[in-house]
Amino acid sequence: AQSVAQPEDQVNVAEGNPLTVKCTYSVSGNPYLFWYVQYPNRGLQFLLKYITGDNLVKGSYGFEAEFNKSQTSFHLKKPSALVSDSALYFCAVRDMYDMRFGAGTRLTVKP
Amino acid sequence: EAGVAQSPRYKIIEKRQSVAFWCNPISGHATLYWYQQILGQGPKLLIQFQNNGVVDDSQLPKDRFSAERLKGVDSTLKIQPAKLEDSAVYLCASSPGTAYGYTFGSGTRLTVV
Repeated sequence: AQSVAQPEDQVNVAEGNPLTVKCTYSVSGNPYLFWYVQYPNRGLQFLLKYITGDNLVKGSYGFEAEFNKSQTSFHLKKPSALVSDSALYFCAVRDMYDMRFGAGTRLTVKP
Repeated sequence: EAGVAQSPRYKIIEKRQSVAFWCNPISGHATLYWYQQILGQGPKLLIQFQNNGVVDDSQLPKDRFSAERLKGVDSTLKIQPAKLEDSAVYLCASSPGTAYGYTFGSGTRLTVV
């Protein structure tokens, strides 16, 4: 069965610095990978997805993610963090039937 | 495009009471999902509908949870009787197809006391 792992519960960065939120995956076959963000008392918002094609995927709010097949990773990145990026981030993988989410990483960007 | 609508936003009930949540997906989205998100965890799939048929309900506690999607549009998730461990956010999502992501509603925060 497919799964994703987010090895960090918490990531802290200073505003203006680059940020990385890590995700590794395990699938049989080609992966469909996603990143979602969740703000307090809100549902999950779609950031970006990798289906096929370029390994660097660009998404909403200046985020991008790099698909690395050899390392089975799909790390979320942003060149310059904003305080408003502070939220809970979920990596997810889906197959034909459903989507499985990681446990989430709480990103805190400090002024 | 209107998003996924869920109601109520918040609900507080006593254990052993019953509760129902409602979801209206994005128009034209054939697939509808209910997820349970316990505080500090990622969402866990409870049930998936394709139109008005159930595709996957393997993680739905069927002794107390039930769900239906009448006419392949709106869906209702019910818990009867509720337990303390059912306290969570219940998220509804819809999707147009396999290669697409999901669009989530804002969720219903259930507190069982």
